Amino acid sequence: ETGVTQTPRHLVMGMTNKKSLKCEQHLGHNAMYWYKQSAKKPLELMFVYSLEERVENNSVPSRFSPECPNSSHLFLHLHTLQPEDSALYLCASSQGTSGSTDTQYFGPGTRLTVL
Amino acid sequence: GENVEQHPSTLSVQEGDSAVIKCTYSDSASNYFPWYKQELGKGPQLIIDIRSNVGEKKDQRIAVTLNKTAKHFSLHITETQPEDSAVYFCAARYSSASKIIFGSGTRLSIRP
Repeated sequence: ETGVTQTPRHLVMGMTNKKSLKCEQHLGHNAMYWYKQSAKKPLELMFVYSLEERVENNSVPSRFSPECPNSSHLFLHLHTLQPEDSALYLCASSQGTSGSTDTQYFGPGTRLTVL
Repeated sequence: GENVEQHPSTLSVQEGDSAVIKCTYSDSASNYFPWYKQELGKGPQLIIDIRSNVGEKKDQRIAVTLNKTAKHFSLHITETQPEDSAVYFCAARYSSASKIIFGSGTRLSIRP
């Protein structure tokens, strides 16, 4: 266990549904990340939060909406998704975002299927 | 642009032999290079990392080497075991602050 948990582990949703992914870290870290992992593609960084402020938004469509209410929790709100959004969504955390504090620890991921 | 290339994409090794995975990066200012192992149904797990002030780092059967001049780094696994079978990702931290770029992964299979 890495100290980063994600729920749900599996999610199937229709294109008109609204759902949310949840990530929680128990490491006392100050930065949290959302990644998308598709088959045969590198991990794609979606969002970065540092001290609850968004510091990176990697040209992600607005149908993905992140929320970071505190340094331990990160959400990804989903609405009107497309079938090509089906992927493994990974959350990660790190102590900081620079110097020697940027080592990232990943959760197990949420396997999302959009019908 | 920001890019990390990883080779090979698949690697099959006889149990007990060594495995080597290589990565190249494009930003000469990159200073942090982690390696992750991802098993089926799990998230990536950090197995070793190296910073640009050293050329080599070892942890039991795993070692990483860094050649800053050539902008490449490699993962070496010796005395491979069945539990080493997984997908391995290299990554490089670019000088643009919070972004770590990942390679496309290597699927390592250990033959009994």
